Amino acid sequence: DGGITQSPKYLFRKEGQNVTLSCEQNLNHDAMYWYRQDPGQGLRLIYYSQIVNDFQKGDIAEGYSVSREKKESFPLTVTSAQKNPTAFYLCVSRGVNTGELFFGEGSRLTVL
Amino acid sequence: AQSVTQLDSHVSVSEGTPVLLRCNYSSSYSPSLFWYVQHPNKGLQLLLKYTSAATLVKGINGFEAEFKKSETSFHLTKPSAHMSDAAEYFCVVHTGGFKTIFGAGTRLFVKA
Repeated sequence: DGGITQSPKYLFRKEGQNVTLSCEQNLNHDAMYWYRQDPGQGLRLIYYSQIVNDFQKGDIAEGYSVSREKKESFPLTVTSAQKNPTAFYLCVSRGVNTGELFFGEGSRLTVL
Repeated sequence: AQSVTQLDSHVSVSEGTPVLLRCNYSSSYSPSLFWYVQHPNKGLQLLLKYTSAATLVKGINGFEAEFKKSETSFHLTKPSAHMSDAAEYFCVVHTGGFKTIFGAGTRLFVKA
């Protein structure tokens, strides 16, 4: 079945460490997104990518980095520069014809 | 620039009474608009979408929304609330620029 796979589901990190969250999709979607979800703030856009080797900053890109070397993969790195990294991170892809969004199960990052 | 404003952070209704969740948007282009629902500890699920066809859109579980261009609104309604409707609801706007923006969310409480 087609879908989006995020890993790991839970991740603990010490302050000062970079961590990379994986996102893989087999839906043949061009557009992929990373959002951060915090209580009471909905989903805020970190980065998005329309096509391989291209990505754009969202509203809260500081302290994060991404790459898009393959259509199927859009990993997110949470760097030590991100001041408040503890959050729930969602990877999303978008269908071209319908515009419908497809969601990964999310990754919950906790900084100790 | 595009944005989405969900006018209520939480709404409380009694079972069997109507539901109204309000969403205003701004967009430089003709937008596609969506409502998604997130039940506790579950992923996001598409309720309905508007993509420039009929302005009154019917979705799953008895929900519907009306696109009003003059008011830049896309309010979500349901004639009769059910306990299982208790969840968080997100209004989402997407334009041709590939940027997809979520509202902050409205938490719906349903009282017995």
